[in-house]
Amino acid sequence: DQQVKQNSPSLSVQEGRISILNCDYTNSMFDYFLWYKKYPAEGPTFLISISSIKDKNEDGRFTVFLNKSAKHLSLHIVPSQPGDSAVYFCAASGSSASKIIFGSGTRLSIRP
Amino acid sequence: DSGVTQTPKHLITATGQRVTLRCSPRSGDLSVYWYQQSLDQGLQFLIQYYNGEERAKGNILERFSAQQFPDLHSELNLSSLELGDSALYFCASSVGGRVGFGYNEQFFGPGTRLTVL
Repeated sequence: DQQVKQNSPSLSVQEGRISILNCDYTNSMFDYFLWYKKYPAEGPTFLISISSIKDKNEDGRFTVFLNKSAKHLSLHIVPSQPGDSAVYFCAASGSSASKIIFGSGTRLSIRP
Repeated sequence: DSGVTQTPKHLITATGQRVTLRCSPRSGDLSVYWYQQSLDQGLQFLIQYYNGEERAKGNILERFSAQQFPDLHSELNLSSLELGDSALYFCASSVGGRVGFGYNEQFFGPGTRLTVL
């Protein structure tokens, strides 16, 4: 039972354009959401997070949008750069919990 | 460099064997988490320790066990290994024991790649 779903295993975007990575969740108890980025042979790195009391959080080129009614969040990267090529994991947690539930990841490739 | 160290980087062993993976958290972090990533899978949460005590459990098999020592390093023990246990095992650490509000973000180590032949 996948509580956090990333339905696109891969995405290819031209350098300079916007990358949009999507994530859906099923558990309405989730109220904290995170995005992690992973390069090959390295552990995941925290990128950005959002609490359910917000619908948008921005950090430089990265913006996460949360649509609670649709149980959907997305990560926007603008403009996309070659160094953004990596696997992106969406994750979720309940505020009283300590464990994070991860999605299966989306491999983003930025082409020149 | 996240500050979380894991040893060994690679481990090759045979079915039925037992192995121990080691993790040292970032300085000052009290929580340690263990995750398993099988081929083309997401990260599956196994178990969390906070300041020496088990805090949360995920889909951890009975053949697997973990502990956190007084110096806060942690070990994940995998026994009676099967082919399906081949995976990347990640350790993460955080300051507190709960997710959220910035200061409890998890920092991941580089992982241990386990291959069971």
